[in-house]
Amino acid sequence: AQKVTQAQTEISVVEKEDVTLDCVYETRDTTYYLFWYKQPPSGELVFLIRRNSFDEQNEISGRYSWNFQKSTSSFNFTITASQVVDSAVYFCALSEALGGTSYGKLTFGQGTILTVHP
Amino acid sequence: SQTIHQWPATLVQPVGSPLSLECTVEGTSNPNLYWYRQAAGRGLQLLFYSVGIGQISSEVPQNLSASRPQDRQFILSSKKLLLSDSGFYLCASEGEQGDGYGYTFGSGTRLTVV
Repeated sequence: AQKVTQAQTEISVVEKEDVTLDCVYETRDTTYYLFWYKQPPSGELVFLIRRNSFDEQNEISGRYSWNFQKSTSSFNFTITASQVVDSAVYFCALSEALGGTSYGKLTFGQGTILTVHP
Repeated sequence: SQTIHQWPATLVQPVGSPLSLECTVEGTSNPNLYWYRQAAGRGLQLLFYSVGIGQISSEVPQNLSASRPQDRQFILSSKKLLLSDSGFYLCASEGEQGDGYGYTFGSGTRLTVV
């Protein structure tokens, strides 16, 4: 069975600090996708990134960066120079494809509550 | 891109009452559709998914059921709500859209059973 572990339940930082959110996953599939979502207080899920299992290149998007390491089954997310607007719950998720081009069913971690103080 | 309409946004229902949550999708055809639930302070759990009209798969035993009467309509129902059914329900759609293949979530329904 697939499993996603986000060991950090809550993180509190002061604005402009860098923060890394950890994600460790378990799967027997050789082809899978990893996702990060942001959930602000309004509740909707905001898509941040999708990475397939064959692409271990790190990715940077503005203040966000992601480190995917298959050897340790980790997909960590770093926010550089955090801002108050980054305060939210962040979820890591792992897909189980239903076939074809499907990303399939998502298994979510429990989420990390990030609070950025001014 | 895909757009998901999910309603109502908030719902307060007494124990034992029925439930019907509706989700409709625009911007794609023949999508895979999903219902997720988020209990307070916890992650999201997949409840049901559908790969086509009338095709429903249940992931966890529960008091709820799902139906897909049309290609882009997904309904979550219960005949008698339990207190444990309280939570935040999210519909998701996965399919081809104008800019590629996407996985989109609706804005969610916050259900409180009292």
